[in-house]
Amino acid sequence: KAGVTQTPRYLIKTRGQQVTLSCSPISGHRSVSWYQQTPGQGLQFLFEYFSETQRNKGNFPGRFSGRQFSNSRSEMNVSTLELGDSALYLCASRSTGTNVNEQFFGPGTRLTVL
Amino acid sequence: AQSVAQPEDQVNVAEGNPLTVKCTYSVSGNPYLFWYVQYPNRGLQFLLKYITGDNLVKGSYGFEAEFNKSQTSFHLKKPSALVSDSALYFCAVRDEGGATNKLIFGTGTLLAVQP
Repeated sequence: KAGVTQTPRYLIKTRGQQVTLSCSPISGHRSVSWYQQTPGQGLQFLFEYFSETQRNKGNFPGRFSGRQFSNSRSEMNVSTLELGDSALYLCASRSTGTNVNEQFFGPGTRLTVL
Repeated sequence: AQSVAQPEDQVNVAEGNPLTVKCTYSVSGNPYLFWYVQYPNRGLQFLLKYITGDNLVKGSYGFEAEFNKSQTSFHLKKPSALVSDSALYFCAVRDEGGATNKLIFGTGTLLAVQP
């Protein structure tokens, strides 16, 4: 099975711009979560989607948004970029079921805001 | 609120020696605990998880972790370290709030294995 894929792998934007990141989960996985990783704040949860519905949201401003499509692919959007948005954005997918299963992470998108 | 703590920013160990990476947790109910590893410029790779049952959990690449309820700890261990084990290790706990897969991560521990 192919793993979680994220595109693009690297992005450079300037302040005030907006950006869209994409995540394709492992085939058959319907749960997708997004995390932001920075040296200062570590790994922080952004949001989680399941069957096109946002199930949970982290403590981030409204500039951060996401969605999930019927094929389980997910996108996240950051509008009005700030320097502090520079980070590695990680997407994770999880199989569904009654067990508490591990999440599988993609390689991430490295966003640099200048 | 639940949390995990990794008290060591860095752990240094010689190749062939046993290694331990520490993690303590704080939850109100039963914890669902995970260990992940991150190599440079890569995403997180799952190592192992504790849900219930045996306190000694075996995972990938020869790693294991011991769940200790009385000490609220979930330390990662390996009997014999390899240079290739050098990486950033994260302990995580699943959020207890409702139907969610949200993970709460520790700050990470950098493991450096010297040849």
